[in-house]
Amino acid sequence: GENVEQHPSTLSVQEGDSAVIKCTYSDSASNYFPWYKQELGKRPQLIIDIRSNVGEKKDQRIAVTLNKTAKHFSLHITETQPEDSAVYFCAATVTDSWGKLQFGAGTQVVVTP
Amino acid sequence: EPEVTQTPSHQVTQMGQEVILRCVPISNHLYFYWYRQILGQKVEFLVSFYNNEISEKSEIFDDQFSVERPDGSNFTLKIRSTKLEDSAMYFCASTKGTQPQHFGDGTRLSIL
Repeated sequence: GENVEQHPSTLSVQEGDSAVIKCTYSDSASNYFPWYKQELGKRPQLIIDIRSNVGEKKDQRIAVTLNKTAKHFSLHITETQPEDSAVYFCAATVTDSWGKLQFGAGTQVVVTP
Repeated sequence: EPEVTQTPSHQVTQMGQEVILRCVPISNHLYFYWYRQILGQKVEFLVSFYNNEISEKSEIFDDQFSVERPDGSNFTLKIRSTKLEDSAMYFCASTKGTQPQHFGDGTRLSIL
């Protein structure tokens, strides 16, 4: 089955700097890759997603890139703010319609003022 | 914006007891999921459900687990005889049939 590896496990950045989180996946059939942000004790919230037919997607300060050949995808947060502090999870699925999500282990991001 | 709702927010149960976790998916959604997250760990898939039957289940979802959609709105997860290792946050999610999945706030299950 699909296996998703995520790095780093923790990331400390100064406010205003950029943060990059990387994930690799094992199943070349995977075709949908969401990123979720989870604040302490709360639900995972989708922040951005990408399908396998595109290489990059951007939404304001957040961008995701996908390299299908290398089977990795990355989350980029620019101009970080304290409210970006949270745990970020990448995920992958082989069915971009309804399939189960296979999550990475998560990255604890701490943005210091 | 419509949300997935889960009850209760926190459930404390004695080991060996049955527990039922409840979810109300978004009303026009067709696919439903349960995931769990042990404290400090990643979110793990348990089961998916469509058209009143299980679509897929993980190795975690053994004979002690069952799911049901008893009416047009609720989606439940039952654990028949709880174990200490069942202590976790349980998330319900739903989708129309095209990703993304929308998650509820979760139920924290504590087994004593």
